[in-house]
Amino acid sequence: NAGVTQTPKFRVLKTGQSMTLLCAQDMNHEYMYWYRQDPGMGLRLIHYSVGEGTTAKGEVPDGYNVSRLKKQNFLLGLESAAPSQTSVYFCASALGRTEAFFGQGTRLTVV
Amino acid sequence: AQSVSQHNHHVILSEAASLELGCNYSYGGTVNLFWYVQYPGQHLQLLLKYFSGDPLVKGIKGFEAEFIKSKFSFNLRKPSVQWSDTAEYFCAVILSNNNDMRFGAGTRLTVKP
Repeated sequence: NAGVTQTPKFRVLKTGQSMTLLCAQDMNHEYMYWYRQDPGMGLRLIHYSVGEGTTAKGEVPDGYNVSRLKKQNFLLGLESAAPSQTSVYFCASALGRTEAFFGQGTRLTVV
Repeated sequence: AQSVSQHNHHVILSEAASLELGCNYSYGGTVNLFWYVQYPGQHLQLLLKYFSGDPLVKGIKGFEAEFIKSKFSFNLRKPSVQWSDTAEYFCAVILSNNNDMRFGAGTRLTVKP
């Protein structure tokens, strides 16, 4: 039972490049979240999903897109990376409006 | 707009000192409340949660929190901290009319041996 797995763990991008972060959970959770964590700002919600095929915007959605084609996977895409998107990204999943289980994080640097 | 405030950014304590970390939220309806902990280099883990019932909830590692509805607060407490409690602590809220979980900015706790 792996819980929540994020791929990759580290990545360096050049400005303007695109990439996709993958989050996979094996707990049959309905809810999935993507957060970014920046010093002094806590975790800010980017996008979330309450079930397969659904997505919704969070606090800071600009510059990101998401897809939830399969219940167990939640993908976060950056179409044209900017230095302001340098951050640590965390994925989480939950059964519902209850406690979330987090992945180990992806450290992304945009140069 | 929904917000979660953690007033203490960095708290430094000696071992065996008592801890109280503040958390306030700005919403008048029903909320689900959480405290998470993030140890250095690790992901967030749940400390405790409150949905309803007894407003004093107990979590793991001797932590507890008290929900005071009239003050929109959910403060975290521990009677005697240990060096191993050094970590960052986050308060989080889910509103009754929403599905997203919002976090406060976090409080970094340093416990000196």
